[in-house]
Amino acid sequence: SAVISQKPSRDICQRGTSLTIQCQVDSQVTMMFWYRQQPGQSLTLIATANQGSEATYESGFVIDKFPISRPNLTFSTLTVSNMSPEDSSIYLCSVGLLLYNEQFFGPGTRLTVL
Amino acid sequence: AQSVTQLDSQVPVFEEAPVELRCNYSSSVSVYLFWYVQYPNQGLQLLLKYLSGSTLVESINGFEAEFNKSQTSFHLRKPSVHISDTAEYFCAVRFRKETSGSRLTFGEGTQLTVNP
Repeated sequence: SAVISQKPSRDICQRGTSLTIQCQVDSQVTMMFWYRQQPGQSLTLIATANQGSEATYESGFVIDKFPISRPNLTFSTLTVSNMSPEDSSIYLCSVGLLLYNEQFFGPGTRLTVL
Repeated sequence: AQSVTQLDSQVPVFEEAPVELRCNYSSSVSVYLFWYVQYPNQGLQLLLKYLSGSTLVESINGFEAEFNKSQTSFHLRKPSVHISDTAEYFCAVRFRKETSGSRLTFGEGTQLTVNP
């Protein structure tokens, strides 16, 4: 399995500002994913961030709004830029382990935008 | 189109009663199937998964799910629930085609509330 930590665990931000969320994994992984879970809703994939390549964004998500870095095999960041109240969500990092053919999820970052 | 549907958004039950949480998917390719659980204010935890082989899979805390290919379903069941099972349950599917990569598609979630 994989142990995943995220920072910050929660934050309250002002409209128009940006927040960078960090995701740290206790082992080297190729595949990392960023999801958004809006209040009372399911998870939506934002992007896939594989080390050594540019992040691949899902329909409805763009790099200018959600820039992602993946500097090595254990770390990734997601930035939520120019925030608005509609960005209030839980943001989750996950990793894919081919050996187990499953994804492991971090605890999430609960973001509130005022 | 490939999709995942959880038919019940909320399921209230009494303690020690049986429960079934329904999940159906639509796909033209083979799938891997997962159930995740999310306790209040926590991240997602894998409950069980179907990859291949026996269509009935079990978790360590008494849940089981059965893959039914003809009905494209993966319903989650437990014969006797505890108050501690109160949580949000998500069905997820990985569609086994090259362009899908390893991404998971999630259902809308089912809130299971176990009452004393």
